[in-house]
Amino acid sequence: NAGVTQTPKFQVLKTGQSMTLQCAQDMNHNSMYWYRQDPGMGLRLIYYSASEGTTDKGEVPNGYNVSRLNKREFSLRLESAAPSQTSVYFCASIFLSGSVYEQYFGPGTRLTVT
Amino acid sequence: QKEVEQNSGPLSVPEGAIASLNCTYSDRVSQSFFWYRQYSGKSPELIMSIYSNGDKEDGRFTAQLNKASQYVSLLIRDSQPSDSATYLCAVKSWYGGSQGNLIFGKGTKLSVKP
Repeated sequence: NAGVTQTPKFQVLKTGQSMTLQCAQDMNHNSMYWYRQDPGMGLRLIYYSASEGTTDKGEVPNGYNVSRLNKREFSLRLESAAPSQTSVYFCASIFLSGSVYEQYFGPGTRLTVT
Repeated sequence: QKEVEQNSGPLSVPEGAIASLNCTYSDRVSQSFFWYRQYSGKSPELIMSIYSNGDKEDGRFTAQLNKASQYVSLLIRDSQPSDSATYLCAVKSWYGGSQGNLIFGKGTKLSVKP
């Protein structure tokens, strides 16, 4: 049981390049989220997917797109990278049962845009 | 905008002492509260959840919730150097679909000195 996995772990892009961050979970969770974490800003929600086939914008969606490929996989795409997108990106999946709500994070992708 | 406030620290305590971490939140209707631990360069790890007023204990950790004062705290007894990390307070908000989303504080950095 790997939990939440993310690839790649590190990436350096030039301004204007594109890339896709991959996330997968093996916990059979319905909901998955993408966050970015910047020094002094905390964790901010980019996009989320409440269930397979649905996606919605979070707090900071500009410059990103997402795809919920199936129940396991949720990818984040940067179409034209900008230095402001230099950050650590975390994917999370959510266990929800009654009033219990638990969010589990992947190991993160450290992205630098030059 | 719903907010979660934490003292950024660093909070420095000697080994064996009690570390007290505090958090306030703005959304009066929040019902679920969480503490995450994040080691440098790693992803956040859920360590405590609390849903009712009062105290909840789990090993050396005690979470305290006071909804009237909109205040959550985490006590770490017998602090160890391995507890040195950033502690993130998170509050479940109903922004983000029917299952809600977590609003994170910016974290308090704890340093436990041997």
